[in-house]
Amino acid sequence: EAQVTQNPRYLITVTGKKLTVTCSQNMNHEYMSWYRQDPGLGLRQIYYSMNVEVTDKGDVPEGYKVSRKEKRNFPLILESPSPNQTSLYFCASSPLTGGIINEQFFGPGTRLTVL
Amino acid sequence: AQSVAQPEDQVNVAEGNPLTVKCTYSVSGNPYLFWYVQYPNRGLQFLLKYITGDNLVKGSYGFEAEFNKSQTSFHLKKPSALVSDSALYFCAVSRNTGFQKLVFGTGTRLLVSP
Repeated sequence: EAQVTQNPRYLITVTGKKLTVTCSQNMNHEYMSWYRQDPGLGLRQIYYSMNVEVTDKGDVPEGYKVSRKEKRNFPLILESPSPNQTSLYFCASSPLTGGIINEQFFGPGTRLTVL
Repeated sequence: AQSVAQPEDQVNVAEGNPLTVKCTYSVSGNPYLFWYVQYPNRGLQFLLKYITGDNLVKGSYGFEAEFNKSQTSFHLKKPSALVSDSALYFCAVSRNTGFQKLVFGTGTRLLVSP
């Protein structure tokens, strides 16, 4: 089954404790992206990747890191989480057609709470 | 810089009536436009996209959207709403060249009453 998986689905942690949220897709998509969803703010892009070793900042990259060492995986790293990073996080992937983004497939989401 | 505006936080419509969810955008160059839907406690699902060509785009579940370049709008429409259409709808814009940053609107909650 074609899908985007995220782990963990739920996470409660404390300020300053490094964490990683994994994202994996099995559709051989070039494009992958991380978003956070907050009430009243909609979805905001954190980072995206056009291909292996090619990443760029979205609108809200502060406090986050990403890496794209393999095509299928795109982990999101919070080196020192803070309470303002409490949010619902979505990973997504998309094929690129002529270098242009297409329909995105979203993961189920990770609800993160930072105390 | 890219931006998307969804001016209505919520749209209420009676079942069987037509619905419109509004979206305006700003982007340098030609836009690629998308609509996504989020049902309660679920991830987002793709509805439709405009890349080029016909200004009226048809998508999933009977939805369509009209691209209007002069008004920089991409409103989502459906001729006859269903209660099951009740969900959160997001408009998004990207560009037709270069790095593919994607900007979403703040979302519009559609409530269809029986």
